[in-house]
Amino acid sequence: AQSVAQPEDQVNVAEGNPLTVKCTYSVSGNPYLFWYVQYPNRGLQFLLKYITGDNLVKGSYGFEAEFNKSQTSFHLKKPSALVSDSALYFCAVRDSGKAAGNKLTFGGGTRVLVKP
Amino acid sequence: GAVVSQHPSRVICKSGTSVKIECRSLDFQATTMFWYRQFPKQSLMLMATSNEGSKATYEQGVEKDKFLINHASLTLSTLTVTSAHPEDSSFYICSADPGLLNTEAFFGQGTRLTVV
Repeated sequence: AQSVAQPEDQVNVAEGNPLTVKCTYSVSGNPYLFWYVQYPNRGLQFLLKYITGDNLVKGSYGFEAEFNKSQTSFHLKKPSALVSDSALYFCAVRDSGKAAGNKLTFGGGTRVLVKP
Repeated sequence: GAVVSQHPSRVICKSGTSVKIECRSLDFQATTMFWYRQFPKQSLMLMATSNEGSKATYEQGVEKDKFLINHASLTLSTLTVTSAHPEDSSFYICSADPGLLNTEAFFGQGTRLTVV
């Protein structure tokens, strides 16, 4: 079975400061990892993904994430947060093994609040 | 990115009536569509997996006779909440999957259902 943990329900950061949203995962095979962002009463928007290759992945809106296999982590980062980054962030994992199907498993979500 | 259109975005219905929610992939063929339910300040709960031309696979605890899913074509899946009750009030989100494990899923805008 695959699972995702986002240990922080909420992250508060001042505008201009670095932002980190933590994510750890568990899969039986190799992981495909995704980050999505959700604004109020909206669906999820794709930010970035790790499939293979370089452990540092760059995505939309200045976000990046680092895949760490030994720590089974995929933390989302942004060097300088904006007030408009305030939203709900979800980490998700998919097992690369075909037998697992293409079902995504989501973490519980982390609310980011960026204060001016 | 690819576009998934979900309609309606908001609906209010009376107890006992049925509500249909549509999910369309506008620029790609979705072999699989997923339906999620999201409670306030919580993560997405997968309700069912819908494959074109076959019966949906429901997650444990989801009533298939209450939440009818039809995936009639590679671009359209519908979720019908039958005999709705106030406890069915929630935010429902669909996602469409191009069918490749290393490709991100694309999400609709969500539907806010209120049963009065």
